[in-house]
Amino acid sequence: QVTLKESGPVLVKPTETLTLTCTVSGFSLSNARMGVSWIRQPPGKALEWLAHIFSNDEKSYSTSLKSRLTISKDTSKSQVVLTMTNMDPVDTATYYCARQSITIFGVVIPQYYYYMDVWGKGTTVTVSS
Amino acid sequence: EIVLTQSPGTLSLSPGERATLSCRASQSVSSSYLAWYQQKPGQAPRLLIYGASSRATGIPDRFSGSGSGTDFTLTISRLEPEDFAVYYCQQYGSSPRWTFGQGTKVEIK
Repeated sequence: QVTLKESGPVLVKPTETLTLTCTVSGFSLSNARMGVSWIRQPPGKALEWLAHIFSNDEKSYSTSLKSRLTISKDTSKSQVVLTMTNMDPVDTATYYCARQSITIFGVVIPQYYYYMDVWGKGTTVTVSS
Repeated sequence: EIVLTQSPGTLSLSPGERATLSCRASQSVSSSYLAWYQQKPGQAPRLLIYGASSRATGIPDRFSGSGSGTDFTLTISRLEPEDFAVYYCQQYGSSPRWTFGQGTKVEIK
């Protein structure tokens, strides 16, 4: 059974750095067809993608938040860590990690399908002094 | 940067009715990279459709996806009580890697 579980502080102060951990089970972070993303959702608002790490350790970040984010992984611990610096009350949100999978159809002309098929339950972070 | 615009913002329908949700991209998107998710209050999103039209494992066949280029549609043929939720489209690209639409809420009329 594939699961992802987010953990981290419930409350952080403005200007502090947030560190969140996603612990995965049921698959390996070295699997070439899988990666992990972080997504957040402020109360009553839409989903916002933050960062992604691929199996080969390639990293990708939200354009608007790139300067504040760092994503990394420890394959031996099955963990993906996201740090976000200089936290502000507008960063109050539920933070999710999700597994990205790749399905390949076709042999002669393969088509690659990317999607997030398993999500953690999320962890709520409040930024307040 | 590709922007996904979903419409309508809210859809008010009765159980048994057909729901048609739209997702429009600011630039052409590969169908392989377009997915739909359902989110119920207090829950994480759930994958419904990937590759624009392929149902994820365990998703009932009343859910279907279609479209190509810049226009994609999620259709729920006959709404069940458990289908009232918020639906997001998502695309995978180059930079940024992932983009979500702003969501469509399907509510009971």
